[in-house]
Amino acid sequence: DAGITQSPRHKVTETGTPVTLRCHQTENHRYMYWYRQDPGHGLRLIHYSYGVKDTDKGEVSDGYSVSRSKTEDFLLTLESATSSQTSVYFCAIGSSGSTETQYFGPGTRLLVL
Amino acid sequence: GDSVTQMEGPVTLSEEAFLTINCTYTATGYPSLFWYVQYPGEGLQLLLKATKADDKGSNKGFEATYRKETTSFHLEKGSVQVSDSAVYFCALSDRNDYKLSFGAGTTVTVRA
Repeated sequence: DAGITQSPRHKVTETGTPVTLRCHQTENHRYMYWYRQDPGHGLRLIHYSYGVKDTDKGEVSDGYSVSRSKTEDFLLTLESATSSQTSVYFCAIGSSGSTETQYFGPGTRLLVL
Repeated sequence: GDSVTQMEGPVTLSEEAFLTINCTYTATGYPSLFWYVQYPGEGLQLLLKATKADDKGSNKGFEATYRKETTSFHLEKGSVQVSDSAVYFCALSDRNDYKLSFGAGTTVTVRA
């Protein structure tokens, strides 16, 4: 298994509070991604990073921000959590190129009350 | 934009039955195609992939062939086991941006 960890694994929070999810890799891969998984939608890309301090938006980026200050860490922040952000969040990593496999972390289950 | 459509589930089968999950795609470029599997309570794992037309990806008895003329990448397995119960996702990666676009997922349950 690729060395990807996510923390926390489970979180319950209240509407309006800030939340930060962490993804940590030990593979030294250049690309890192944040997805959310919701029933009927598969996985949808929130943000991704193609290097330290290089990030870009995915298809569902509203309400989320990211930061990558080190190769191994990619943080996803919900500035003011809403109930619509209740979801399972997956981090993924990739070495390079569109033909390369993305490896996924175990997921973080977030409940916003 | 790029998109993936896969057959809706859930699919319930008996052990040793034949499994097919249909997947079609729309892409502006020439994508790579993937099948990922998610076992209960886990993250996604790559099952197989194909990077050019007529390539066949295979793994664990599963196969899928990249059909450019029909823009399809159907997943098949000849004899399923209870351990194949999972959610299966078809995905594509455009060669220009390294991002994956996923189908909605198909839940497969295999009964003994």
